[in-house]
Amino acid sequence: SAVISQKPSRDICQRGTSLTIQCQVDSQVTMMFWYRQQPGQSLTLIATANQGSEATYESGFVIDKFPISRPNLTFSTLTVSNMSPEDSSIYLCSVEREGQYLYFGPGTRLTVL
Amino acid sequence: QKEVEQNSGPLSVPEGAIASLNCTYSDRGSQSFFWYRQYSGKSPELIMSIYSNGDKEDGRFTAQLNKASQYVSLLIRDSQPSDSATYLCAVGWGGAQKLVFGQGTRLTINP
Repeated sequence: SAVISQKPSRDICQRGTSLTIQCQVDSQVTMMFWYRQQPGQSLTLIATANQGSEATYESGFVIDKFPISRPNLTFSTLTVSNMSPEDSSIYLCSVEREGQYLYFGPGTRLTVL
Repeated sequence: QKEVEQNSGPLSVPEGAIASLNCTYSDRGSQSFFWYRQYSGKSPELIMSIYSNGDKEDGRFTAQLNKASQYVSLLIRDSQPSDSATYLCAVGWGGAQKLVFGQGTRLTINP
């Protein structure tokens, strides 16, 4: 199965700043997914990143707040812009497996002060 | 709005007993059903998938699906303290990009 790495694993940031999270997969994948998991909550899909096209954002998430890059088939970044304490969450990168389920990376734990 | 409902718990089960986790979903067109386990501070990992009505067994885990009742469950036999985690139910209807997750059930196995 795929190996997914994320950087940073955790960070503490100041309000108003931005953080870019990197996701690296050890094999080529068509779609990469970015999820958010707020404290004590379930997983919410932020956007789907396809190589060579604009990311597709879910309702409630906008490109200005969460810009995504997908320069190749093994790498993606998610930026959390102009952060507020409400952005404190775990951000998870994931890929599709067997056309059916999701395989998750280790996550980035973000705290915004 | 597709919804997946789980009892958030916490569910407390004695070691060696059977833990039963339940999930209901709103969309009758759902085609795929998954159980993920998430240890505290870790990312979710897939433990079971089921696509057709009935039971599917894998070791100590059994997934049960009843599409008529829009209900999926996970049974853990001979529960171990290492099974203590949050269990997330996920339902899909056309590929991984359309998975909807429940809020998760926190399970504690007491020695």
